Amino acid sequence: DTAVSQTPKYLVTQMGNDKSIKCEQNLGHDTMYWYKQDSKKFLKIMFSYNNKELIINETVPNRFSPKSPDKAHLNLHINSLELGDSAVYFCASAGGFYNSPLHFGNGTRLTVT
Amino acid sequence: QQQVKQSPQSLIVQKGGISIINCAYENTAFDYFPWYQQFPGKGPALLIAIRPDVSEKKEGRFTISFNKSAKQFSLHIMDSQPGDSATYFCAATTNNAGNMLTFGGGTRLMVKP
Repeated sequence: DTAVSQTPKYLVTQMGNDKSIKCEQNLGHDTMYWYKQDSKKFLKIMFSYNNKELIINETVPNRFSPKSPDKAHLNLHINSLELGDSAVYFCASAGGFYNSPLHFGNGTRLTVT
Repeated sequence: QQQVKQSPQSLIVQKGGISIINCAYENTAFDYFPWYQQFPGKGPALLIAIRPDVSEKKEGRFTISFNKSAKQFSLHIMDSQPGDSATYFCAATTNNAGNMLTFGGGTRLMVKP
């Protein structure tokens, strides 16, 4: 069983469109995250979310919004897509204790044309 | 502002050699320093981690050396193998950051047979 799964694996869309990426974890973790990996492989935190608190990286445009229907899911919605949004987006989850390791999904490669 | 600087960006090592990747940080509040390993098409996975109260941690062929006064830490891979070829990320976080990791820029390691 895949611990953290993301769909779709690839997403190609045009500028201005709205798209969503889904993430599910079956690890029973309390906290989920979204990371963005750019073309130079740099990993940057976008959001951290548990059932109590959403922490947003202040550099993330408000066109990006996380939506969590339940503890096991954290979807990423992106409005008005721009060319610069092209990247690989990783979902991750972690247990509730400090220093618990992050478990990453295999990523969604978003290409905006 | 990049809070964790990683070098080199790429590294080529012969099989059996030692791979060394270095990281430097600026935020003295960081108190947990993990290393993640990422294979192509996959998400990063925790490799090894260290707290600043120890100067070295070893797990198999992988060793982290930590120098608190210099605000530097490094990953040593002994007897490097072709299967170690991957991108390695150092990271850091603080106790009140909710496990939100700040990653270094990554090092692409290639181990030649």
